[in-house]
Amino acid sequence: GQQLNQSPQSMFIQEGEDVSMNCTSSSIFNTWLWYKQDPGEGPVLLIALYKAGELTSNGRLTAQFGITRKDSFLNISASIPSDVGIYFCAGLGNSGGSNYKLTFGKGTLLTVNP
Amino acid sequence: GAGVSQSPSNKVTEKGKDVELRCDPISGHTALYWYRQRLGQGLEFLIYFQGNSAPDKSGLPSDRFSAERTGESVSTLTIQRTQQEDSAVYLCASSLGQGRQTQYFGPGTRLLVL
Repeated sequence: GQQLNQSPQSMFIQEGEDVSMNCTSSSIFNTWLWYKQDPGEGPVLLIALYKAGELTSNGRLTAQFGITRKDSFLNISASIPSDVGIYFCAGLGNSGGSNYKLTFGKGTLLTVNP
Repeated sequence: GAGVSQSPSNKVTEKGKDVELRCDPISGHTALYWYRQRLGQGLEFLIYFQGNSAPDKSGLPSDRFSAERTGESVSTLTIQRTQQEDSAVYLCASSLGQGRQTQYFGPGTRLLVL
Protein backbone atom coordinates (compact mmCIF):
# COMPACT_ATOMS: atom_id res chain seq x y z
CA GLY A 1 0.00 0.00 0.00
CA GLN A 2 0.91 3.65 -0.20
CA GLN A 3 3.39 4.99 2.30
CA LEU A 4 4.73 8.40 3.03
CA ASN A 5 8.44 9.15 2.59
CA GLN A 6 9.74 10.07 6.02
CA SER A 7 13.29 11.22 6.79
CA PRO A 8 15.64 10.83 8.41
CA GLN A 9 15.29 7.17 9.35
CA SER A 10 17.16 7.75 12.60
CA MET A 11 18.82 10.55 14.53
CA PHE A 12 21.33 10.58 17.37
CA ILE A 13 21.49 13.92 19.15
CA GLN A 14 22.72 15.47 22.36
CA GLU A 15 20.29 16.66 25.00
CA GLY A 16 19.40 20.29 24.38
CA GLU A 17 19.74 20.13 20.60
CA ASP A 18 16.91 20.87 18.21
CA VAL A 19 15.57 18.19 15.87
CA SER A 20 13.80 18.35 12.55
CA MET A 21 12.12 15.57 10.57
CA ASN A 22 9.87 15.63 7.54
CA CYS A 23 7.48 13.69 5.38
CA THR A 24 6.64 13.92 1.71
CA SER A 25 3.98 12.31 -0.41
CA SER A 26 3.23 11.99 -4.10
CA SER A 27 -0.45 12.65 -3.36
CA ILE A 28 -2.33 15.36 -1.52
CA PHE A 29 -3.61 14.85 2.02
CA ASN A 30 -6.29 16.91 3.77
CA THR A 31 -4.90 16.27 7.24
CA TRP A 32 -1.36 15.64 8.46
CA LEU A 33 -0.67 14.07 11.83
CA TRP A 34 2.45 13.40 13.88
CA TYR A 35 2.58 10.50 16.33
CA LYS A 36 5.17 9.27 18.83
CA GLN A 37 5.57 5.60 19.70
CA ASP A 38 7.39 4.39 22.80
CA PRO A 39 8.68 0.79 23.02
CA GLY A 40 5.87 -1.66 23.66
CA GLU A 41 3.18 0.97 23.22
CA GLY A 42 0.86 2.16 20.52
CA PRO A 43 1.39 5.52 18.78
CA VAL A 44 0.22 8.64 20.62
CA LEU A 45 -0.95 11.72 18.71
CA LEU A 46 1.33 14.75 19.16
CA ILE A 47 0.04 17.30 16.66
CA ALA A 48 -2.75 17.42 14.05
CA LEU A 49 -2.71 19.81 11.08
CA TYR A 50 -5.88 20.50 9.12
CA LYS A 51 -5.09 23.37 6.77
CA ALA A 52 -2.43 23.89 4.10
CA GLY A 53 0.22 26.27 5.39
CA GLU A 54 -0.85 25.79 9.01
CA LEU A 55 1.90 26.03 11.63
CA THR A 56 0.99 24.53 14.99
CA SER A 57 2.90 24.24 18.25
CA ASN A 58 2.50 21.93 21.21
CA GLY A 59 5.05 22.84 23.87
CA ARG A 60 8.50 22.22 22.41
CA LEU A 61 7.00 20.67 19.27
CA THR A 62 6.20 22.63 16.13
CA ALA A 63 4.73 21.16 12.96
CA GLN A 64 3.72 22.60 9.62
CA PHE A 65 1.31 21.46 6.92
CA GLY A 66 3.01 22.14 3.59
CA ILE A 67 1.33 24.59 1.24
CA THR A 68 1.19 21.96 -1.52
CA ARG A 69 -0.51 19.55 0.93
CA LYS A 70 2.10 16.97 -0.01
CA ASP A 71 4.52 17.47 2.86
CA SER A 72 4.88 18.25 6.55
CA PHE A 73 7.69 18.75 9.02
CA LEU A 74 8.05 18.35 12.77
CA ASN A 75 10.56 20.26 14.88
CA ILE A 76 11.47 19.47 18.47
CA SER A 77 13.34 22.18 20.30
CA ALA A 78 15.70 21.76 23.28
CA SER A 79 15.44 17.96 23.27
CA ILE A 80 15.33 16.02 26.53
CA PRO A 81 15.95 12.31 27.21
CA SER A 82 12.23 11.47 27.31
CA ASP A 83 11.91 12.60 23.68
CA VAL A 84 13.45 9.24 22.76
CA GLY A 85 11.14 7.13 20.62
CA ILE A 86 9.88 6.62 17.10
CA TYR A 87 8.10 9.53 15.45
CA PHE A 88 5.61 8.82 12.66
CA CYS A 89 3.94 11.14 10.23
CA ALA A 90 0.53 10.15 8.95
CA GLY A 91 -1.78 11.50 6.29
CA LEU A 92 -5.57 11.38 6.21
CA GLY A 93 -8.06 11.98 3.43
CA ASN A 94 -5.93 11.92 0.31
CA SER A 95 -7.44 12.51 -3.07
CA GLY A 96 -9.68 9.61 -3.95
CA GLY A 97 -9.19 8.16 -0.50
CA SER A 98 -11.14 7.94 2.71
CA ASN A 99 -11.30 10.31 5.67
CA TYR A 100 -10.53 7.59 8.20
CA LYS A 101 -7.72 5.47 6.72
CA LEU A 102 -4.39 6.73 8.06
CA THR A 103 -1.36 6.39 5.77
CA PHE A 104 1.87 6.25 7.77
CA GLY A 105 5.51 7.01 7.12
CA LYS A 106 8.14 4.46 8.17
CA GLY A 107 9.14 6.47 11.21
CA THR A 108 12.15 8.38 12.55
CA LEU A 109 13.96 6.76 15.48
CA LEU A 110 15.20 9.48 17.81
CA THR A 111 17.94 8.84 20.36
CA VAL A 112 18.89 11.58 22.80
CA ASN A 113 22.19 11.34 24.64
CA PRO A 114 22.03 12.96 28.07
CA GLY B 1 -10.05 6.54 32.24
CA ALA B 2 -9.50 3.26 30.40
CA GLY B 3 -7.81 3.44 27.04
CA VAL B 4 -7.87 0.91 24.23
CA SER B 5 -6.83 -2.50 25.49
CA GLN B 6 -5.62 -5.46 23.49
CA SER B 7 -4.98 -9.08 24.30
CA PRO B 8 -2.85 -11.03 24.33
CA SER B 9 0.18 -8.74 24.59
CA ASN B 10 2.35 -11.34 22.93
CA LYS B 11 1.52 -14.44 20.94
CA VAL B 12 3.89 -17.08 19.63
CA THR B 13 2.37 -19.65 17.32
CA GLU B 14 3.40 -22.28 14.86
CA LYS B 15 3.00 -21.85 11.14
CA GLY B 16 -0.37 -23.12 10.01
CA LYS B 17 -2.20 -22.48 13.27
CA ASP B 18 -5.06 -19.99 13.64
CA VAL B 19 -4.81 -17.03 16.01
CA GLU B 20 -7.39 -14.67 17.44
CA LEU B 21 -6.51 -11.17 18.63
CA ARG B 22 -8.84 -9.11 20.75
CA CYS B 23 -9.44 -5.36 21.01
CA ASP B 24 -11.51 -3.49 23.60
CA PRO B 25 -12.09 0.07 22.37
CA ILE B 26 -12.68 3.12 24.52
CA SER B 27 -16.26 3.11 25.74
CA GLY B 28 -18.47 5.25 23.52
CA HIS B 29 -16.16 5.16 20.53
CA THR B 30 -18.13 4.13 17.46
CA ALA B 31 -15.18 3.73 15.13
CA LEU B 32 -12.62 0.94 15.44
CA TYR B 33 -9.54 0.28 13.31
CA TRP B 34 -6.98 -2.48 12.96
CA TYR B 35 -3.45 -1.78 11.70
CA ARG B 36 -0.41 -3.98 11.18
CA GLN B 37 3.13 -2.82 11.96
CA ARG B 38 5.97 -4.87 10.56
CA LEU B 39 9.44 -4.51 12.06
CA GLY B 40 10.95 -1.15 11.15
CA GLN B 41 7.87 -0.08 9.21
CA GLY B 42 4.99 2.28 9.62
CA LEU B 43 1.48 1.11 10.31
CA GLU B 44 -0.60 -0.42 7.51
CA PHE B 45 -4.38 -0.09 7.58
CA LEU B 46 -6.23 -3.40 7.71
CA ILE B 47 -9.92 -2.85 8.49
CA TYR B 48 -12.34 -0.20 9.76
CA PHE B 49 -15.65 -0.54 11.62
CA GLN B 50 -18.08 2.37 12.05
CA GLY B 51 -21.23 1.73 14.04
CA ASN B 52 -23.56 -0.64 12.22
CA SER B 53 -22.21 0.20 8.76
CA ALA B 54 -20.52 -2.43 6.61
CA PRO B 55 -16.82 -2.54 7.54
CA ASP B 56 -14.09 -1.38 5.15
CA LYS B 57 -12.02 -4.51 4.70
CA SER B 58 -9.92 -3.14 1.86
CA GLY B 59 -6.63 -3.37 3.80
CA LEU B 60 -6.85 -7.06 4.69
CA PRO B 61 -3.85 -8.68 2.95
CA SER B 62 -5.46 -12.05 2.18
CA ASP B 63 -8.58 -14.11 2.79
CA ARG B 64 -6.81 -15.71 5.75
CA PHE B 65 -7.49 -12.47 7.63
CA SER B 66 -10.92 -11.62 8.99
CA ALA B 67 -12.33 -9.40 11.70
CA GLU B 68 -15.59 -9.09 13.56
CA ARG B 69 -17.05 -6.48 15.84
CA THR B 70 -19.98 -6.91 18.20
CA GLY B 71 -22.02 -3.72 18.06
CA GLU B 72 -19.83 -0.86 19.21
CA SER B 73 -17.69 -2.91 21.54
CA VAL B 74 -15.13 -5.67 21.32
CA SER B 75 -13.48 -6.64 18.05
CA THR B 76 -11.52 -9.75 17.17
CA LEU B 77 -9.01 -10.12 14.36
CA THR B 78 -8.55 -13.70 13.21
CA ILE B 79 -5.65 -14.96 11.14
CA GLN B 80 -6.13 -18.47 9.78
CA ARG B 81 -3.30 -20.79 8.76
CA THR B 82 -0.68 -18.33 9.92
CA GLN B 83 2.46 -17.80 7.85
CA GLN B 84 5.83 -16.47 8.97
CA GLU B 85 5.24 -13.22 7.08
CA ASP B 86 2.25 -12.59 9.38
CA SER B 87 4.71 -11.89 12.21
CA ALA B 88 4.13 -8.27 13.20
CA VAL B 89 2.56 -6.04 15.82
CA TYR B 90 -1.20 -5.76 15.36
CA LEU B 91 -2.54 -2.46 16.64
CA CYS B 92 -6.13 -1.53 17.31
CA ALA B 93 -7.40 2.04 17.53
CA SER B 94 -10.75 3.62 18.27
CA SER B 95 -12.24 7.06 17.78
CA LEU B 96 -15.47 8.91 18.52
CA GLY B 97 -16.28 8.93 14.82
CA GLN B 98 -14.47 9.19 11.55
CA GLY B 99 -12.67 12.02 9.82
CA ARG B 100 -10.89 14.42 12.13
CA GLN B 101 -11.64 12.42 15.26
CA THR B 102 -8.41 11.41 16.97
CA GLN B 103 -7.59 7.72 16.73
CA TYR B 104 -6.42 6.36 20.09
CA PHE B 105 -4.19 3.32 19.82
CA GLY B 106 -3.90 0.28 22.04
CA PRO B 107 -0.51 -1.20 23.00
CA GLY B 108 -0.70 -3.84 20.30
CA THR B 109 -0.33 -7.61 20.12
CA ARG B 110 3.09 -8.85 19.12
CA LEU B 111 2.62 -11.92 16.96
CA LEU B 112 5.49 -14.25 16.15
CA VAL B 113 4.88 -17.13 13.76
CA LEU B 114 7.56 -19.80 13.94
